[in-house]
Amino acid sequence: DAKTTQPPSMDCAEGRAANLPCNHSTISGNEYVYWYRQIHSQGPQYIIHGLKNNETNEMASLIITEDRKSSTLILPHATLRDTAVYYCIVRGATSGTYKYIFGTGTRLKVLA
Amino acid sequence: AAGVIQSPRHLIKEKRETATLKCYPIPRHDTVYWYQQGPGQDPQFLISFYEKMQSDKGSIPDRFSAQQFSDYHSELNMSSLELGDSALYFCASSPPGLGGTGELFFGEGSRLTVL
Repeated sequence: DAKTTQPPSMDCAEGRAANLPCNHSTISGNEYVYWYRQIHSQGPQYIIHGLKNNETNEMASLIITEDRKSSTLILPHATLRDTAVYYCIVRGATSGTYKYIFGTGTRLKVLA
Repeated sequence: AAGVIQSPRHLIKEKRETATLKCYPIPRHDTVYWYQQGPGQDPQFLISFYEKMQSDKGSIPDRFSAQQFSDYHSELNMSSLELGDSALYFCASSPPGLGGTGELFFGEGSRLTVL
């Protein structure tokens, strides 16, 4: 599975958009980009995923560059409850299941 | 909606003792994953099971073993506990075919403290 690089920490003002970047320059054609977050010692929570098109759901938007070597997770109106560690994961299929390797995510702090 | 259930939520053991953690996946989920998260660390993949067979293996110590039972629940057995085994242990499950989204559903974790 491709490795990912994320900034270790970011701050964002409450109500503003939070843009979290992720580099995955070695991603291969059949690998998806997944985003999870972990709110202080809780189980990680799925946010969104994509292959090559931009995606949007009720939680966030995912923008993937045309060459697929990087992506950005956008939380359009960050709230204090969005303070968490955000993980960008590139996932491929192995032996019929899909293990997810968590790298070092971005610790997002939303400021009042 | 039913979630992944882990038990116990907290466990305290002495060095060299044995511990067993249990995971009950969401109904109709056929794949279970175990992760270990040490203090200040990111979750590390240990092992996964698909239809009761081990499917992927990560950085699981030889002192640890796991299995998935016929009702799809899973148990992680840890022997000869060391101080470094103190961590949060997460279980996750996924539906057949990953439900089309590839989403893993995580439990709230079991916190193991080794004294």
